[in-house]
Amino acid sequence: DAKTTQPNSMESNEEEPVHLPCNHSTISGTDYIHWYRQLPSQGPEYVIHGLTSNVNNRMASLAIAEDRKSSTLILHRATLRDAAVYYCILRDVTTDKLIFGTGTRLQVFP
Amino acid sequence: GAVVSQHPSRVICKSGTSVKIECRSLDFQATTMFWYRQFPKQSLMLMATSNEGSKATYEQGVEKDKFLINHASLTLSTLTVTSAHPEDSSFYICSARQFGNEQFFGPGTRLTVL
Repeated sequence: DAKTTQPNSMESNEEEPVHLPCNHSTISGTDYIHWYRQLPSQGPEYVIHGLTSNVNNRMASLAIAEDRKSSTLILHRATLRDAAVYYCILRDVTTDKLIFGTGTRLQVFP
Repeated sequence: GAVVSQHPSRVICKSGTSVKIECRSLDFQATTMFWYRQFPKQSLMLMATSNEGSKATYEQGVEKDKFLINHASLTLSTLTVTSAHPEDSSFYICSARQFGNEQFFGPGTRLTVL
């Protein structure tokens, strides 16, 4: 299973943009890049996913490097409710499995 | 997004008893469901993949006789922890996927074995 590397933690102030990096140098051509986030004692929540092109939705944007070996989740204006553990995951389309790494714990300060 | 529920949300049981956890997709039919386990301050660990009408596929190191999975319908999968022991205490989370779409996660079930 292809692996991802993320910083253990990051901090942000409220209303500021947040860029959460993820390295996935062993990504294969058919792996999708998924981002989920998890609040304490809750199940993960889908944030965004992409394959090659940058993606935008109401929650966030996903910027994917041209060689696909890294990606960045962008929260345009952090709120206190965005404080969570963010997981960058590669999904193998042949198995559909999501193999979670350690994630990045995002703290947002007022 | 689609809604996935789990029942119960938390359960406390005595060592040696069996516990059943239900995972339901409320507004879609899930061709595949997944079961995860999460220990405190750790990431989610995939336990098994469950396809409707067929046997579950377990990840390496997960005992199939201890963690019984049944996916009897397109909206329901169950995980039974048999002869539970304190080391089985964990947060169990399911996810459900409709063919070609995203996986959606349930809220989790906290199991405490005394």
